[in-house]
Amino acid sequence: AAGVIQSPRHLIKEKRETATLKCYPIPRHDTVYWYQQGPGQDPQFLISFYEKMQSDKGSIPDRFSAQQFSDYHSELNMSSLELGDSALYFCASSSPAQGGNEKLFFGSGTQLSVL
Amino acid sequence: DQQVKQNSPSLSVQEGRISILNCDYTNSMFDYFLWYKKYPAEGPTFLISISSIKDKNEDGRFTVFLNKSAKHLSLHIVPSQPGDSAVYFCAASDPNTGFQKLVFGTGTRLLVSP
Repeated sequence: AAGVIQSPRHLIKEKRETATLKCYPIPRHDTVYWYQQGPGQDPQFLISFYEKMQSDKGSIPDRFSAQQFSDYHSELNMSSLELGDSALYFCASSSPAQGGNEKLFFGSGTQLSVL
Repeated sequence: DQQVKQNSPSLSVQEGRISILNCDYTNSMFDYFLWYKKYPAEGPTFLISISSIKDKNEDGRFTVFLNKSAKHLSLHIVPSQPGDSAVYFCAASDPNTGFQKLVFGTGTRLLVSP
């Protein structure tokens, strides 16, 4: 079965650079979520989209922005990168038809390293 | 402020025995709880969930118990298998803040030895 696809798997950037992370949800899933997991920390909710509209916002810095496109894929744009942005970024998707929004299906994550 | 806590960072169990992973929460508004399993280099995988109207949910070798008065839930794996070795995250959702914002614990690394 198709899963949530994230690209790239690994990304190395320098301070003050920009990065774009991509997420392709499971087919027919209409909701996408972004989570950030720092080293040794729990995943922290960043932002979510439902039907291409931002549905909720968590602890996402102003330097970050995200959007969901017409094909439901989502991109997380990160600018003026800081060392503290180094983390594993997970994307997840869900569909109300598949047991409710609570059940999230996660991608394998993008490991971002800021040098 | 950690609303979901998993106080044991690691747990070692022998194959065939029971694994018990614990999770405590502080937000009394949480009404839905989930357990996710995470292997290295992979995203978390949904394992089992429980609504606050229940105190037990069972799925094969996995059972989740919820004690609302103690704000505590636990995941029981019986019998434990080496393939169960992974990091287990407890998560909760508050209907007032939306299902989207799952709040995760810091995880417990389970090691099941043959």
